[in-house]
Amino acid sequence: ETGVTQTPRHLVMGMTNKKSLKCEQHLGHNAMYWYKQSAKKPLELMFVYNFKEQTENNSVPSRFSPECPNSSHLFLHLHTLQPEDSALYLCASSQDRGLAGDEQFFGPGTRLTVL
Amino acid sequence: GENVEQHPSTLSVQEGDSAVIKCTYSDSASNYFPWYKQELGKRPQLIIDIRSNVGEKKDQRIAVTLNKTAKHFSLHITETQPEDSAVYFCAASILTGGGNKLTFGTGTQLKVEL
Repeated sequence: ETGVTQTPRHLVMGMTNKKSLKCEQHLGHNAMYWYKQSAKKPLELMFVYNFKEQTENNSVPSRFSPECPNSSHLFLHLHTLQPEDSALYLCASSQDRGLAGDEQFFGPGTRLTVL
Repeated sequence: GENVEQHPSTLSVQEGDSAVIKCTYSDSASNYFPWYKQELGKRPQLIIDIRSNVGEKKDQRIAVTLNKTAKHFSLHITETQPEDSAVYFCAASILTGGGNKLTFGTGTQLKVEL
């Protein structure tokens, strides 16, 4: 699979577990994003990284901890989650050409279920 | 912060008819308005976008219009086909570099019936 990949595709975890979601982009982009997609709700932007630096934390609870070791990889570390955190977590990347416009390319998502 | 509202939440049309989806935004500083299509079980994909210095943009059967004064923008799909059936999301952001912080609408489930 090319473009933006995410692992795992499905994850079931208990509220006391610690797990990590991984995203990798093969497009040479410099910006990466985490989104949460829940039923009947809009896509919610969680975090933005640009050249490995976090530029946005959209009031996300601390039980979600992002990590961006380089421009191609993005992680979302999960701990002590709640059942309402169950959702599809989407990663995206973009070239971030500033005022020239910006298409975000999404990964296939990780379907997370918190028991 | 930005707030994007999208209507309708569901839209059913006959094949060959036109479909229109409307969005409003709250932040007058927003200057970038993309539309994403998400088919069932698949990832969102950009279908068209418009910047605030343009009032209308067209790409084959798809067009987007923007009214900055009223702070609303619309997606128009002509000659709809069954493969157009999907959820469509509008979004808005301020392009400044440092990452594109999109605010999405709640989505429109479009169903094209034969």
